[in-house]
Amino acid sequence: GNSVTQMEGPVTLSEEAFLTINCTYTATGYPSLFWYVQYPGEGLQLLLKATKADDKGSNKGFEATYRKETTSFHLEKGSVQVSDSAVYFCALIRYSGGYQKVTFGIGTKLQVIP
Amino acid sequence: DGGITQSPKYLFRKEGQNVTLSCEQNLNHDAMYWYRQDPGQGLRLIYYSQIVNDFQKGDIAEGYSVSREKKESFPLTVTSAQKNPTAFYLCASGGGTHSYEQYFGPGTRLTVT
Repeated sequence: GNSVTQMEGPVTLSEEAFLTINCTYTATGYPSLFWYVQYPGEGLQLLLKATKADDKGSNKGFEATYRKETTSFHLEKGSVQVSDSAVYFCALIRYSGGYQKVTFGIGTKLQVIP
Repeated sequence: DGGITQSPKYLFRKEGQNVTLSCEQNLNHDAMYWYRQDPGQGLRLIYYSQIVNDFQKGDIAEGYSVSREKKESFPLTVTSAQKNPTAFYLCASGGGTHSYEQYFGPGTRLTVT
């Protein structure tokens, strides 16, 4: 079956530090890959996505590249801010049996300190 | 504004009572989903529905029930048979074949004592 492995947090960084959150996946076929962000007490918001190999998703300074050869979709940001403190979920979505089947990672909590 | 609404934000119930969580969307999406979120476990799929009057069990459906009488609405009932109902519940919708993203509501935190 499909699976998503994320690095366990929490990750604590100082403001303006470089961020990497690792994500690897196992899936048959060609899934679409996503990063969602969850702020405290809220639902998940789509951060970025990539639908095929070598695609790069980007949004709000965050980037991730769909690497089929390493089955990875690592999230990066060059300079984090306190407002980036949240939980980040890597996910893959496949269209199977007539519906979107989503597999989430366990989430990585990021804490950015001033 | 298009989106997904869930109500209430916080819900408290006594053990042994059934409780229904509301989810409404105005995105004109065919598919809707219910997830449960527990600390350290990510999101787990409870039920999903692709079209009106049809729904399927997800990975942890025991102790839950749903209905899909309207395209816009997908309420979730947490029954007394659910052994550990205290959790954060998230509703989502998706466009189906032509859209891969799932859009999430703000969630309902259910506490059962």
